[in-house]
Amino acid sequence: QLQLQESGPGLVKPSETLSLTCTVSGGSISSSSYYWGWIRQPPGKGLEWIGSIYYSGSTYYNPSLKSRVTISVDTSKNQFSLKLSSVTAADTAVYYCARRGSSFDYYYMDVWGKGTTVTVSS
Amino acid sequence: DIQLTQSPSFLSASVGDRVTITCRASQGISSYLAWYQQKPGKAPKLLIYAASTLQSGVPSRFSGSGSGTEFTLTISSLQPEDFATYYCQQLNSYPRTFGGGTKVEIK
Repeated sequence: QLQLQESGPGLVKPSETLSLTCTVSGGSISSSSYYWGWIRQPPGKGLEWIGSIYYSGSTYYNPSLKSRVTISVDTSKNQFSLKLSSVTAADTAVYYCARRGSSFDYYYMDVWGKGTTVTVSS
Repeated sequence: DIQLTQSPSFLSASVGDRVTITCRASQGISSYLAWYQQKPGKAPKLLIYAASTLQSGVPSRFSGSGSGTEFTLTISSLQPEDFATYYCQQLNSYPRTFGGGTKVEIK
């Protein structure tokens, strides 16, 4: 079945760029039915939607992060990626990638990666 | 942005109890609402979408209702494996937003 796996550095220095990749296995990222997204969760806090991307490259971003976020897709590798620039300690979180599915135009995030912890510290 | 307010934020209940969690949206979102369950150290798991449609494989003791601005998640008979944190999410407009969460603990 479809699986998502996040990868990337677990420690990033303040002011640098956080870079994560989500590898999709057991299915194609190029399916017309799905968007692919990033969500994060600071320690002990709730979930925050970061943004999403379609296989064509069309993106949506959270305005609160938009100036610092770039999400891209590599269909040849069945991967999509997150870059978050100028990080601070407030960006320390577990980062999840997830699939956004739909049924009769109702949407949901139905497949999630296990998450990867990113700590921002010098 | 659409704000989602969940209540209560914390709930203490016993096995077998009927539990209801409320999610209120700051503006109408039709039925574009999903519910997730998250256990410590794990990714969220989709329970319900379209406000009331049970995701495949989710036990029937979970149900959702509502439309517009007020929604509920009900667990008809709480089981030991249901102790977790529950989140609502609106998928009516961007940015997608989540409620603050409701932690269900053992009484």
